[in-house]
Amino acid sequence: GENVEQHPSTLSVQEGDSAVIKCTYSDSASNYFPWYKQELGKRPQLIIDIRSNVGEKKDQRIAVTLNKTAKHFSLHITETQPEDSAVYFCAARNGNAGNMLTFGGGTRLMVKP
Amino acid sequence: DTEVTQTPKHLVMGMTNKKSLKCEQHMGHRAMYWYKQKAKKPPELMFVYSYEKLSINESVPSRFSPECPNSSLLNLHLHALQPEDSALYLCASSHPLAGELEQFFGPGTRLTVL
Repeated sequence: GENVEQHPSTLSVQEGDSAVIKCTYSDSASNYFPWYKQELGKRPQLIIDIRSNVGEKKDQRIAVTLNKTAKHFSLHITETQPEDSAVYFCAARNGNAGNMLTFGGGTRLMVKP
Repeated sequence: DTEVTQTPKHLVMGMTNKKSLKCEQHMGHRAMYWYKQKAKKPPELMFVYSYEKLSINESVPSRFSPECPNSSLLNLHLHALQPEDSALYLCASSHPLAGELEQFFGPGTRLTVL
């Protein structure tokens, strides 16, 4: 089955700096890569996603890049703000296994004011 | 209605109890999911229902029994649970169209097994 690894597990940045979280996946059949933000005690919320036919996608301060050859994808947050502090999960969907998502282990992002 | 709702928010049960978790969505989604999330860990898929039929069971113990009575409702029946089953149980749903892949999560039920 699919295996998704995520790094780093914790990330501390100063407000205004950029943050980068990286994930690798194992199954070349995976074709959809969402990123979820989960605040303490809350539900995971989708913040951005990318499909395998696209190399990069941007939404305001958030961007995701995908390298299919290397099987890795990254989340980039610019101009970080304290409200960006949360746990971020990457995930990969295997197109041959229904809409099953496999999650990475998560990154706890702390933005210091 | 653009949300997935779950009840109850919190549940404390003994190992001999029988209880049920409920999930509801009115977005016309025809795929629904149960996930288990332990503290500081990612969600782990338990079950997937597609068009009210169980399509994926990730080798979940039989003390967890899912049910999908209609396209808007998903239940998880619990019986003879163990303390290690204490976790946040998340429900999610997604649209049936191939181009709509986003899974929408409910707020979860925090379960404590004594």
